[in-house]
Amino acid sequence: QVTLKESGPTLVKPTQTLTLTCTFSGFSLSTNGVGVGWIRQPPGKAPEWLALIFWDNDKRYSPSLRSRLTITKDTSRNQVVLIVTNMDPVDTATYYCGYQGRRVRGVYFVDYWGQGTLVTVSS
Amino acid sequence: DIQMTQSPSSVSASVGDRVTITCRASQDINIWLAWYQQKPGRAPKLLIYTASNLHSGVPSRFSGSGSGTDFTLTISSLQPEDFATYYCQQASTFPQTFGQGTILEIK
Repeated sequence: QVTLKESGPTLVKPTQTLTLTCTFSGFSLSTNGVGVGWIRQPPGKAPEWLALIFWDNDKRYSPSLRSRLTITKDTSRNQVVLIVTNMDPVDTATYYCGYQGRRVRGVYFVDYWGQGTLVTVSS
Repeated sequence: DIQMTQSPSSVSASVGDRVTITCRASQDINIWLAWYQQKPGRAPKLLIYTASNLHSGVPSRFSGSGSGTDFTLTISSLQPEDFATYYCQQASTFPQTFGQGTILEIK
């Protein structure tokens, strides 16, 4: 059974750096074809895909946020970390991590989602 | 980025109705499209991937079709638990992008 859970601060101040941890079980991020991604969803809006790290440590980022995002993995601890620098009130959102397993032709959907964690950016 | 546009933005329907939601991509994405269901306060759940494949555990009343730029999600006979918001997502190109959502409400 695949499970994921996000953890981190619920409130950050503008200009601060946000560090979120995704702790997962039911799969290994060292298995060929496996990835873990981060997606956020501002209140009342659609999800926005942010970043994805693959089993081989390859990474993909949203170009619009690339300069502010860093995604890393700790395979032995079954964790993926997302760092977002220079937080702003517009970054207020529920942040989700998700299992993204390879389908045909190297395509990755979000097969399973964590419960999400609401991060508010306010002074 | 590839833009995903869903229609309608909201729809009212009754239990037992057949409902269709459409999603249009701003460029050809082949069949690399997924549909997700989200209930208030909950994370989205994958329903359909590669345009027409049902994810594990998803009831057969859900179906998807399409390729290229035009896709549909159909619920053949609405059940009370189907009232939710539905999103499409393209996985053809990074960054992956989502539609704006369709709210399915009880009439």
